[in-house]
Amino acid sequence: AQTVTQSQPEMSVQEAETVTLSCTYDTSENNYYLFWYKQPPSRQMILVIRQEAYKQQNATENRFSVNFQKAAKSFSLKISDSQLGDTAMYFCAFMKQPITDKLIFGTGTRLQVFP
Amino acid sequence: DAEITQSPRHKITETGRQVTLACHQTWNHNNMFWYRQDLGHGLRLIHYSYGVQDTNKGEVSDGYSVSRSNTEDLPLTLESAASSQTSVYFCASSELTSAPSVEQFFGPGTRLTVL
Repeated sequence: AQTVTQSQPEMSVQEAETVTLSCTYDTSENNYYLFWYKQPPSRQMILVIRQEAYKQQNATENRFSVNFQKAAKSFSLKISDSQLGDTAMYFCAFMKQPITDKLIFGTGTRLQVFP
Repeated sequence: DAEITQSPRHKITETGRQVTLACHQTWNHNNMFWYRQDLGHGLRLIHYSYGVQDTNKGEVSDGYSVSRSNTEDLPLTLESAASSQTSVYFCASSELTSAPSVEQFFGPGTRLTVL
């Protein structure tokens, strides 16, 4: 069975600085998707970024980028130029191929951005 | 605009009562999912459906049931509510997937308290 581990329950960063959230996963699959979801205080789940395992290039979305290390089964999220609106819970999630659409989530990292 | 809604947003009930949480999506997605979110566990899959009349058990399905009579709705029923089912419940939907469309769209969540 697949598992997703987020070892940092809480992180903090000062506005405009860079922060990296860690995620590791365990799977025997070769093809899969990885995601980072953001959950602000509003509770809404928002997709931040996704990575296809067959792609070697790390995904980027504006200030958000990932460091995907397939052999190490590591998928970290880097937030550059942190903003107060980045304060949220961040969840790493795994989806197996062939596409079954079931997401397996980590336990989350609470990120606080300070002025 | 297409959306996914959940009702009620908050509910308090008593142990032993039957409770139904509604989920309605206007994306015309085939796939629908129910997750529960608990501190220290992230989001865990309760039930899911790949289409009308199709339902499947997820990781934490005991005490819950779903039915899919149309594309838009997947109600979640707690047959006899227990205090252990106090949680935040999220509904999600996605298209019958083929890469690259694998994103799940989440509803706003329902906070359920069982006294």
